[in-house]
Amino acid sequence: NAGVTQTPKFQVLKTGQSMTLQCAQDMNHNSMYWYRQDPGMGLRLIYYSASEGTTDKGEVPNGYNVSRLNKREFSLRLESAAPSQTSVYFCATRTGTNTGELFFGEGSRLTVL
Amino acid sequence: KQEVTQIPAALSVPEGENLVLNCSFTDSAIYNLQWFRQDPGKGLTSLLLIQSSQREQTSGRLNASLDKSSGRSTLYIAASQPGDSATYLCAVYNNAGNMLTFGGGTRLMVKP
Repeated sequence: NAGVTQTPKFQVLKTGQSMTLQCAQDMNHNSMYWYRQDPGMGLRLIYYSASEGTTDKGEVPNGYNVSRLNKREFSLRLESAAPSQTSVYFCATRTGTNTGELFFGEGSRLTVL
Repeated sequence: KQEVTQIPAALSVPEGENLVLNCSFTDSAIYNLQWFRQDPGKGLTSLLLIQSSQREQTSGRLNASLDKSSGRSTLYIAASQPGDSATYLCAVYNNAGNMLTFGGGTRLMVKP
């Protein structure tokens, strides 16, 4: 039982390059989230998907796009990476929009040069 | 806007000591509160979820309390062990229950 799986775990990009972070869960949860964690800033919500087919902006959505491909998968795309997007990105899932506790993946460490 | 503060930011204790980690939040209209543990380079592991109607939750050596009216939660760790060394984060769910605000965490070191 893998829980929440994120790929890749590490990535180095040059400014202006694009990439997609993938998240897959096998917990049959409806809600999925993308957070970023930065020193001194804590964890901040980028986007979330309350259920398959819906996505909503979080606290810091600028520079990102998301796709809820199906119930299991929620991807985060950086169209034109900037150094300010250097961070550790976490995917999380939850039973429902306002039900249950949050479960996290192991994180994806992204460096933008 | 909800703000969540955790004090102290870092704590070092000898093995076997009982300890309390504090979490305070500015808006008492919360849905739930959740405590997490994060090991270096890892994701967050859920420790305890307290529903807004509850006063406390217990799991093994951990006990978390919630006082909504005063905007406070505490995480009590009994008989601390070196394996408890990690960063502990609290997060509060907004009134609708769909958004979390995280505290900055308390970095705990338990010395053998």
